[in-house]
Amino acid sequence: GAVVSQHPSWVICKSGTSVKIECRSLDFQATTMFWYRQFPKQSLMLMATSNEGSKATYEQGVEKDKFLINHASLTLSTLTVTSAHPEDSSFYICSATGQVNYEQYFGPGTRLTVT
Amino acid sequence: AQSVTQLDSQVPVFEEAPVELRCNYSSSVSVYLFWYVQYPNQGLQLLLKYLSGSTLVKGINGFEAEFNKSQTSFHLRKPSVHISDTAEYFCAVSEMRGGKLIFGQGTELSVKP
Repeated sequence: GAVVSQHPSWVICKSGTSVKIECRSLDFQATTMFWYRQFPKQSLMLMATSNEGSKATYEQGVEKDKFLINHASLTLSTLTVTSAHPEDSSFYICSATGQVNYEQYFGPGTRLTVT
Repeated sequence: AQSVTQLDSQVPVFEEAPVELRCNYSSSVSVYLFWYVQYPNQGLQLLLKYLSGSTLVKGINGFEAEFNKSQTSFHLRKPSVHISDTAEYFCAVSEMRGGKLIFGQGTELSVKP
C-alpha cells in the first residue's frame, strides 16, 4: 500500500527558532500534499495545499510567512515553522494524494513542542 | 461551504455490542465521504469511503457506512465491537476526488470489557 512518512516524529525547539518538518511519499508520486494541524482532543484543521512545483494555497487564517511550505518534488514536501512560539505547539500531519486513485494517504504526524 | 458534524463527541460501548457513529454533512455540490480512524499519537487510517455507486459501503475491520443523500448523512456502523476498536473516529468530506478534506470534530469510541 501507499506509505507516507514524516520526519521528525517529534521535535522540541526553543521559542524564536525555526523547525522544518518533512513529508515523503515513499512508494508513489504525490501530485498534491496537504498539511493539517491538530490540537489535543480536537479535529484536524487544514493549513495548506501544495502541488509539486507551485506555490502552496493556504487556508484562511493561516500565516503563509510563518508556515513555509515547499513541494520541490513529487515525493517530498516540507513545512517550516518560522520564529516558533509556544502556541505553535501542536501535532502536524501531512497527507499525499497519488495520481492513480486520488486517495489521501496520511503520514504518522509530527509532535512539535515549543518551549 | 462544506461542513461536517459528528453528533457524538464520545461513545462508550461494551465489547461485542453494536455501535453507530453519526455524521452529517453540508455541501452545495456532490461530495465524496470518508471515515478515518486515529489511534493515540498516530496519523489517520482510512476505514472506508463513498465515491459513487452503492450507498452501503463496507470498509476494513468490519465497519460499514451508509450514504443517505436526502438526510445528508454518512453514519458508521459495526455490529460487534472489540476492545481494539477504541480510538478516535473522524468523518470527512471532499468536493473533489483527491481534493482537500474537511473533517468533523471527531468521535471518541471507548470499548469497555
